[in-house]
Amino acid sequence: AQSVAQPEDQVNVAEGNPLTVKCTYSVSGNPYLFWYVQYPNRGLQFLLKYITGDNLVKGSYGFEAEFNKSQTSFHLKKPSALVSDSALYFCAVRDGNSGYSTLTFGKGTMLLVSP
Amino acid sequence: EPEVTQTPSHQVTQMGQEVILRCVPISNHLYFYWYRQILGQKVEFLVSFYNNEISEKSEIFDDQFSVERPDGSNFTLKIRSTKLEDSAMYFCASSGSSGATGELFFGEGSRLTVL
Repeated sequence: AQSVAQPEDQVNVAEGNPLTVKCTYSVSGNPYLFWYVQYPNRGLQFLLKYITGDNLVKGSYGFEAEFNKSQTSFHLKKPSALVSDSALYFCAVRDGNSGYSTLTFGKGTMLLVSP
Repeated sequence: EPEVTQTPSHQVTQMGQEVILRCVPISNHLYFYWYRQILGQKVEFLVSFYNNEISEKSEIFDDQFSVERPDGSNFTLKIRSTKLEDSAMYFCASSGSSGATGELFFGEGSRLTVL
């Protein structure tokens, strides 16, 4: 079975500082990894994904994430946080070796950026 | 930009009543999903649908749930006899022909309140 762990319920950062939202995963085959963001009372918006290739992937709104196979991690990062980045962030994984499989989400991490 | 649309945005129903949630996926997408989220918490997979049949379903998706794509554009989720614990935000999602590597595009959600 595949799973995602987001160890922090909430991350607090000051505007202009770098931010990291942590994610680790467990999957039997090749991991396909995704980050989504959810603003209040809205649906989930796709930020970025790792399928293969360069371990550092860049996505929307200046976010990037680093795939680390040995640590089974896919942490979300941004060099300089904005107040408007405050939202709920979800990491998700899919098993790339099983033909087609469910996208499994973590429990989410609330990011709060203070002015 | 194409988007997934869901109706209704909010439905209140009495326990034991039938509910149908409707979704219009992005027009050229081939894979369709329903997820649910209780009180802004974890996003839980319900069912995936491809080639006019269910491709995968979770333990949550019991005999009280069904999905249908009646006319080639709409994708519906029916709950036959609602329970209090069915109260949640239900998200429809779709993805394109890239299969497991493709990201899901989510609608804004339908909030179901069961009284």
